[in-house]
Amino acid sequence: NAGVTQTPKFQVLKTGQSMTLQCAQDMNHNSMYWYRQDPGMGLRLIYYSASEGTTDKGEVPNGYNVSRLNKREFSLRLESAAPSQTSVYFCASRLQGLETQYFGPGTRLLVL
Amino acid sequence: GQSLEQPSEVTAVEGAIVQINCTYQTSGFYGLSWYQQHDGGAPTFLSYNALDGLEETGRFSSFLSRSDSYGYLLLQELQMKDSASYFCAVADSWGKLQFGAGTQVVVTP
Repeated sequence: NAGVTQTPKFQVLKTGQSMTLQCAQDMNHNSMYWYRQDPGMGLRLIYYSASEGTTDKGEVPNGYNVSRLNKREFSLRLESAAPSQTSVYFCASRLQGLETQYFGPGTRLLVL
Repeated sequence: GQSLEQPSEVTAVEGAIVQINCTYQTSGFYGLSWYQQHDGGAPTFLSYNALDGLEETGRFSSFLSRSDSYGYLLLQELQMKDSASYFCAVADSWGKLQFGAGTQVVVTP
């Protein structure tokens, strides 16, 4: 039981490049979330998926897209990376009806 | 909109008790969660309050007053491994979390 896994762990992009951050969970959770965390700040919600087949915007969705590929996987795509998207990205999952969110180890992204 | 306020840093010695306060202004409040994050690590769940009162989980307790839009996390018998950032977060009915900026707890020998 790996919990929530994220790939890659680290990534360096040039401005304008695109990439997809992958997230998978093996806990049969319904809901999945993408957050970003900037230095000295709390996490901010980018997108979430309440259940397979649904996605919705969070607090800071601009510049991102998501895909809930199946119940296990929830990917985050940067179409044209900008330096302002330099951050640590965390994926999380939650079983509907319970309050605990389980976080992955994070992806550290640097956009030059 | 929503906002949460918590102190930026608290320092205490091993064995002491620390209280981290959190005040919030929000619509659609469902509950208040607390998460711990060690440097470079993933946040981990500590506690959740949906109703007024105190929830106790080992050395950690969390309190909520919905009428005052206020909660706190109490860390007892501080240990060196408790040095970390602690975040309060408001949850809505979809499970979406709005996080505070975090409180850095520094435990000294």
